[in-house]
Amino acid sequence: RKEVEQDPGPFNVPEGATVAFNCTYSNSASQSFFWYRQDCRKEPKLLMSVYSSGNEDGRFTAQLNRASQYISLLIRDSKLSDSATYLCVVNGLVNSGYALNFGKGTSLLVTP
Amino acid sequence: GAVVSQHPSWVICKSGTSVKIECRSLDFQATTMFWYRQFPKKSLMLMATSNEGSKATYEQGVEKDKFLINHASLTLSTLTVTSAHPEDSSFYICSARAPTSGRTNTGELFFGEGSRLTVL
Repeated sequence: RKEVEQDPGPFNVPEGATVAFNCTYSNSASQSFFWYRQDCRKEPKLLMSVYSSGNEDGRFTAQLNRASQYISLLIRDSKLSDSATYLCVVNGLVNSGYALNFGKGTSLLVTP
Repeated sequence: GAVVSQHPSWVICKSGTSVKIECRSLDFQATTMFWYRQFPKKSLMLMATSNEGSKATYEQGVEKDKFLINHASLTLSTLTVTSAHPEDSSFYICSARAPTSGRTNTGELFFGEGSRLTVL
């Protein structure tokens, strides 16, 4: 089983739509959780951290359910500029210590 | 925010040659840097953790003699792909964890711009 699994995507939505991404992780000892955004042929950039209490940053809302080992990202009022790949990322223990484990990403295309 | 610079952005080389990729943290000291590779439409896969002044720790399945990592200073880590072959063609990305007091395992990672290697 992969460490981090995400919706396969791609998601094609019209401007203004609300879209939700889901993610599950396998290591219950994971400590911290993030959503990163990656544009085509670019490096990933942190979108937001995810906290157990849920957190919001403008149009973006992230939720974490530790019991279910489930993470979500909700984007409201989608903009064309939101088109990107969204990576679910979990900080967990690997061979070399703690590092980020990445999901494969979910591609979002927002259309006019 | 913290900046991590990676060089070169693109490199094309002949099979059998070695390629060195540099990763620099520009405005903070990074005792730990990470090297990832990403194949098209695949997730980033951690290759190794680079620790300043000591040997890198490689993930399972990554050949340490093939991918040489040197972290000689607090702001520079290098990855050398030795005797590159076409199957080594990939997007290599370094990252460094910005220092966070008391929570060194959870600091935000900043990524370099990535280096796209094509081996002919």
